[in-house]
Amino acid sequence: EADIYQTPRYLVIGTGKKITLECSQTMGHDKMYWYQQDPGMELHLIHYSYGVNSTEKGDLSSESTVSRIRTEHFPLTLESARPSHTSQYLCASSEPGLNEKLFFGSGTQLSVL
Amino acid sequence: AQSVAQPEDQVNVAEGNPLTVKCTYSVSGNPYLFWYVQYPNRGLQFLLKYITGDNLVKGSYGFEAEFNKSQTSFHLKKPSALVSDSALYFCAVRDGYNFNKFYFGSGTKLNVKP
Repeated sequence: EADIYQTPRYLVIGTGKKITLECSQTMGHDKMYWYQQDPGMELHLIHYSYGVNSTEKGDLSSESTVSRIRTEHFPLTLESARPSHTSQYLCASSEPGLNEKLFFGSGTQLSVL
Repeated sequence: AQSVAQPEDQVNVAEGNPLTVKCTYSVSGNPYLFWYVQYPNRGLQFLLKYITGDNLVKGSYGFEAEFNKSQTSFHLKKPSALVSDSALYFCAVRDGYNFNKFYFGSGTKLNVKP
């Protein structure tokens, strides 16, 4: 089992609320990622980080923001949630090197009413 | 542009029969290919990867995958399916230029019936 944790597991909130999805890993990995997953669709990369104080946007445009102040922690924030943000959000990390695999958390299922 | 296609939304197979889950890819540069499995209410778990070398790659839980460069395919196989193999399977390819990016297919639901 991978040591990467996401909270909350499920979140139902109203439109306009600010939310933060938490992701932590205890493996000391420098690289971390946020993916968005919708049923029957590809996983889309929305943010990634090479290490502390490094964040990059992924290929899918997202209104979310991320921060990386500590190696183990990579939270994702939505300043004002909308129904279009309803989705599953998966956090992942990877070992150093070119050929490393990804370790995924269990995901946060977000529903915005 | 990098992309992965999984042409089948669902694959049904009887327990004990061989299974194949298909994947084709498009990537610039050398392909680094991966298979992941997702069980209900769980995150994706790594199954196997192809980087270079032997075209037949062996992975976890008895799965293997065959890399075919001419057909740009990386099909997942298992000689004898188990009911417990029922899950969602994702093929992924690493970006040929930005090694920090992976591109995933849309997933194939594998149903193994007793």
